Amino acid sequence: DIQMTQSPSTLSASVGDRVTITCRASQSISRWLAWYQQKPGKAPKLLIYLASTLQSGVPSRFSGSGSGTEFTLSISSLQPDDFAAYFCQHYNFYTWTFGQGTKLEMK
Amino acid sequence: EVQLVESGGGLVQPGGSLRLSCAASGFSFDDYDMHWVRQVPGKGLEWVSSISWNSGSIEYVDSVKGRFTISRDNAKNSLYLQMNNLTTEDTALYYCGREGITGPIDYWGHGTLVTVSS
Repeated sequence: DIQMTQSPSTLSASVGDRVTITCRASQSISRWLAWYQQKPGKAPKLLIYLASTLQSGVPSRFSGSGSGTEFTLSISSLQPDDFAAYFCQHYNFYTWTFGQGTKLEMK
Repeated sequence: EVQLVESGGGLVQPGGSLRLSCAASGFSFDDYDMHWVRQVPGKGLEWVSSISWNSGSIEYVDSVKGRFTISRDNAKNSLYLQMNNLTTEDTALYYCGREGITGPIDYWGHGTLVTVSS
């Protein structure tokens, strides 16, 4: 099974900062990688699919990159609404796996 | 508006069974593959199972194989998860999700809580 490893597990930042979260796959997944945002008590929200394609309605300060085994999610200028948990996920294989998550907290 | 509404969660003893349901509306249910994903409150997400639009392809995470059964009734716009021989490790919030045309889950329900405890 493909394993997804996210880092860091916790990230402290301030409004206006640029932040980057990394996700590594245990084997190549091409670009079959999605990123989700989850706020407390809410279901996850799809941000990015195919590693770098922004889901409709997602602000352009979010961006994704990578292919193969290494991927990143970047937020160019943090807004107060962005403090949440973020998960990567590989898909389009027989079984899907999520990364363990990154909690983005206010410094 | 796409809506997914889960139900059927609750408190069950170890070794017991539950059947979760997910009522879909606002889209052509029989055009989409569907998934169950679970989350221990405060922890990460775990994909549990998927079913293709016509029930022709079904997958499970290893930890539930032989115990959980996913199914769907396209005439009723409903997705199901039959969970047998439950253990404390199955305690989680269970979400149903629609696999979008772009690949990953694009719509999620609000979740139904399953608690396995004696």
